[in-house]
Amino acid sequence: KAGVTQTPRYLIKTRGQQVTLSCSPISGHRSVSWYQQTPGQGLQFLFEYFSETQRNKGNFPGRFSGRQFSNSRSEMNVSTLELGDSALYLCASSLDAGAILETQYFGPGTRLLVL
Amino acid sequence: AQKVTQAQTEISVVEKEDVTLDCVYETRDTTYYLFWYKQPPSGELVFLIRRNSFDEQNEISGRYSWNFQKSTSSFNFTITASQVVDSAVYFCALSEAGNYGQNFVFGPGTRLSVLP
Repeated sequence: KAGVTQTPRYLIKTRGQQVTLSCSPISGHRSVSWYQQTPGQGLQFLFEYFSETQRNKGNFPGRFSGRQFSNSRSEMNVSTLELGDSALYLCASSLDAGAILETQYFGPGTRLLVL
Repeated sequence: AQKVTQAQTEISVVEKEDVTLDCVYETRDTTYYLFWYKQPPSGELVFLIRRNSFDEQNEISGRYSWNFQKSTSSFNFTITASQVVDSAVYFCALSEAGNYGQNFVFGPGTRLSVLP
């Protein structure tokens, strides 16, 4: 069974641009969560999607958004990029109930550099 | 407010030594979940264990064991007979069951280096 895949793996953008990251969960998984990892703030939860609906959201500004498609693939978008958005963005999938009640499987991440 | 503290920033041990990674948490909820994750150099997080606040039974999985003590708000992780492949950053995390999402909090991580 294929694992969680994230594309692209690396990305360089400039301040003010927007970016879209993609995550394909493990086949049959319907819950997708996104996390941001930076040296300064560490690992932080962004949001979780289930059945095309945002089920939970972390404490991030509205510039961070996401969506989920009917095939459970998910995208996250960051608009008006700031230098501080440079980070490793991790996606994780689980069957249904999400991170609290199920094992999550993580992708390799997308490393975003904002110049 | 929730908080997870991992006081050990970096630990180095020689292969076959036992090592314990400390995790201390703060929460006002009576129902919560604790987690450990491993992040090897490849960057991909790996889920290790989940424990709910009503289950204080210690758990052993191969060379890994976890000691959950509500009295001291600690959820420590021990690797027995460490191996080079155990070298990674280990994160402890906490989620209050009623507020998953905003209150899913990770500790800063402990970088473990196992030397041959």
